Amino acid sequence: GNSVTQMEGPVTLSEEAFLTINCTYTATGYPSLFWYVQYPGEGLQLLLKATKADDKGSNKGFEATYRKETTSFHLEKGSVQVSDSAVYFCALRIYNFNKFYFGSGTKLNVKP
Amino acid sequence: EAGVTQFPSHSVIEKGQTVTLRCDPISGHDNLYWYRRVMGKEIKFLLHFVKESKQDESGMPNNRFLAERTGGTYSTLKVQPAELEDSGVYFCASSRTREDGGYTFGSGTRLTVV
Repeated sequence: GNSVTQMEGPVTLSEEAFLTINCTYTATGYPSLFWYVQYPGEGLQLLLKATKADDKGSNKGFEATYRKETTSFHLEKGSVQVSDSAVYFCALRIYNFNKFYFGSGTKLNVKP
Repeated sequence: EAGVTQFPSHSVIEKGQTVTLRCDPISGHDNLYWYRRVMGKEIKFLLHFVKESKQDESGMPNNRFLAERTGGTYSTLKVQPAELEDSGVYFCASSRTREDGGYTFGSGTRLTVV
């Protein structure tokens, strides 16, 4: 079936630290991969995406590379800020199907 | 353009009561989706409307849940009667087409059943 597994949180970092949030997936077809972010009190926002193997999605200093050989899509940022504190969800979507499969979310706390 | 609006933002009800959640999609978005996140677990798909028709309701947990989208505009999700395990955050999303990443999510309704 289709599923996404991401590291459990919360993850607590100091400002300017390096961030990695691991995400692996299983898929019955060829998936597109996404990272969504939910800031406190807000809805889910698309952070970045990649639609084929070896593609790198990037936005706001965050990056993730679609690794088909390891079925992974790890989220990274070189220097986190307090404003990055949020819950991050990894997700996949199979081409031509309308529903997303999400991971359980990873809460990130960044301390000044 | 206005975003996807959900209300109420929070609802606390007793077990056995009825609750109705509402979602107003972005104007012109034919596709409307409901998801929920229970107990801090993964966000799971509930169903998908195209205009007023249910395209996919494979994620609806049981017949206590009823979703409608009369006229193809706003949608309601009714839980009757509510059980403790229905507690969670219910998200609505809309999209104009089936394209990837075209979803816009609402901020969710946090439902607590006591």
